[in-house]
Amino acid sequence: NAGVTQTPKFQVLKTGQSMTLQCAQDMNHNSMYWYRQDPGMGLRLIYYSASEGTTDKGEVPNGYNVSRLNKREFSLRLESAAPSQTSVYFCASSSSNYGYTFGSGTRLTVV
Amino acid sequence: RKEVEQDPGPFNVPEGATVAFNCTYSNSASQSFFWYRQDCRKEPKLLMSVYSSGNEDGRFTAQLNRASQYISLLIRDSKLSDSATYLCAAPSGGYNKLIFGAGTRLAVHP
Repeated sequence: NAGVTQTPKFQVLKTGQSMTLQCAQDMNHNSMYWYRQDPGMGLRLIYYSASEGTTDKGEVPNGYNVSRLNKREFSLRLESAAPSQTSVYFCASSSSNYGYTFGSGTRLTVV
Repeated sequence: RKEVEQDPGPFNVPEGATVAFNCTYSNSASQSFFWYRQDCRKEPKLLMSVYSSGNEDGRFTAQLNRASQYISLLIRDSKLSDSATYLCAAPSGGYNKLIFGAGTRLAVHP
């Protein structure tokens, strides 16, 4: 099915561990995004990629890095996980001024 | 002031009721706006786009008031299945970045 695929769906990390969240879209969208969602705070933009080969910081980039591997794939890396990064992470993609399509999310717990 | 603000609710309404949510935005240059629906523990899904004065899709109507800088979502004849959180989103700064409100929770009861 066409859409945005995120892996893994669930993850538990220990403080200080690293991991990469994977995201791929098959809709030929130019732009891709990483958001985190915390209770009462809505979706906050971590990083985005307007097009292949470019990445920019969003509202809450500290503690994260991203890679736009190609037009389809946009990964998010936590180098040294902290409990404050416990959240639900959503990847999204879009084309031009149309709304986003979201992946199903990754529930991350850092203990 | 937050870029996008919503009343968190919850709105508890009976089936068949009409309910309206408002969302205010701060960037007066914004041209396009979006309403998303998010079910519990699921991803947001696009419900409606608003590019000019408004948009209607069945029981759902979205309107834009540029003078007062808010968008609204009206749901007529509420169904139990409409129970969800409704997020509004507006462009912010650079290329096609969306800022989301914290969401308004709707609970429709029999």
